Amino acid sequence: DQQVKQNSPSLSVQEGRISILNCDYTNSMFDYFLWYKKYPAEGPTFLISISSIKDKNEDGRFTVFLNKSAKHLSLHIVPSQPGDSAVYFCAASETSGTYKYIFGTGTRLKVLA
Amino acid sequence: GAGVSQSPSNKVTEKGKDVELRCDPISGHTALYWYRQSLGQGLEFLIYFQGNSAPDKSGLPSDRFSAERTGGSVSTLTIQRTQQEDSAVYLCASSLGGGHHQPQHFGDGTRLSIL
Repeated sequence: DQQVKQNSPSLSVQEGRISILNCDYTNSMFDYFLWYKKYPAEGPTFLISISSIKDKNEDGRFTVFLNKSAKHLSLHIVPSQPGDSAVYFCAASETSGTYKYIFGTGTRLKVLA
Repeated sequence: GAGVSQSPSNKVTEKGKDVELRCDPISGHTALYWYRQSLGQGLEFLIYFQGNSAPDKSGLPSDRFSAERTGGSVSTLTIQRTQQEDSAVYLCASSLGGGHHQPQHFGDGTRLSIL
């Protein structure tokens, strides 16, 4: 059973417009969520995180929204740029001894110039 | 360097051979994680180290997989008698640790191909 799901394997957006990437989770014990960006042949790069005590966190062009009741989070990128084209992974963690991440399967974002 | 370093970047080996993958975490990071990403999949947790101890090995898929960490720094993931299903990208991450949530910082991975 997949605890973190990204149901859209791919997304195409015009440069300058908003990109919205979605993620759903099933484990109510998760209390920390992150988004990572991954280019081919490179490791994932941390983008932004949010604690379950918040419903929004913003960093420049990137905003993460958390809806705990729906067990849903989303990443908004505004404005989208061609350099944002990559695979985006959401990850979730719970307060425990390990703080290991459970990852979704990723969404490939393509920003069209 | 300042980031997590993994070697080799690519490894091709024959089925049945043993392989060793190395991870050099960010200096001062006490927590170290191994994940793997199979084709078309998300990252799958393998093992967690805090210092030299591995309190969570729950993600290791079989007893052919083992890992160690020495000096609170470098870690080695060993796969014995490799099988074709072991083909994947193996990623190492480190974080400051300390008992609360911290972003994990990833290396570029080792792409392992079993022929």
